[in-house]
Amino acid sequence: DARVTQTPRHKVTEMGQEVTMRCQPILGHNTVFWYRQTMMQGLELLAYFRNRAPLDDSGMPKDRFSAEMPDATLATLKIQPSEPRDSAVYFCASGLVQTVSTDTQYFGPGTRLTVL
Amino acid sequence: SQQGEEDPQALSIQEGENATMNCSYKTSINNLQWYRQNSGRGLVHLILIRSNEREKHSGRLRVTLDTSKKSSSLLITASRAADTASYFCATDAGNYGQNFVFGPGTRLSVLP
Repeated sequence: DARVTQTPRHKVTEMGQEVTMRCQPILGHNTVFWYRQTMMQGLELLAYFRNRAPLDDSGMPKDRFSAEMPDATLATLKIQPSEPRDSAVYFCASGLVQTVSTDTQYFGPGTRLTVL
Repeated sequence: SQQGEEDPQALSIQEGENATMNCSYKTSINNLQWYRQNSGRGLVHLILIRSNEREKHSGRLRVTLDTSKKSSSLLITASRAADTASYFCATDAGNYGQNFVFGPGTRLSVLP
């Protein structure tokens, strides 16, 4: 049963610390999305990769966030330095985009980040 | 502003009743998708309807799409307590995923 995995599931850190979240997409998928979910803002798209190339990271605060996909089995989202307003649940989703349309996205369980 | 907007924001019904949620969007789309999120979990894909389709069924789910009104509805028939979750619509406006947007969601509570 293929599924997207994310680590860690929970992270509590202090303001100013670096946070790295990892995602393993489903084997064979060519797209990876990073979302942030909060009560106030809902689901926000942070970054989007297709065939490991970053296509859209306009939703990400560039000064502190970075997203990479070093290989097809790993996507990372890094926050440095972290701030209390970064507290949220971060989801990774993967999918197979073969045409101009985006079909089903498969979500990981999320990383719940708390920045004190 | 977001592409998809669900309505209502919250819905509370009794077990066995039907639940209807609506989604409106602003621009032309390739497809519209509905997802469910149980508390503390990731989103789960429920159903996808393409712009040239008007209705799709999956078990107790029925989705309609009216492209002239730029709206979609999700009907859950004979609801169960296990259907309690948040439901999101997401619209794909093409460009290989760069125009894929989730709405704010409808919180459904099914009371036993």
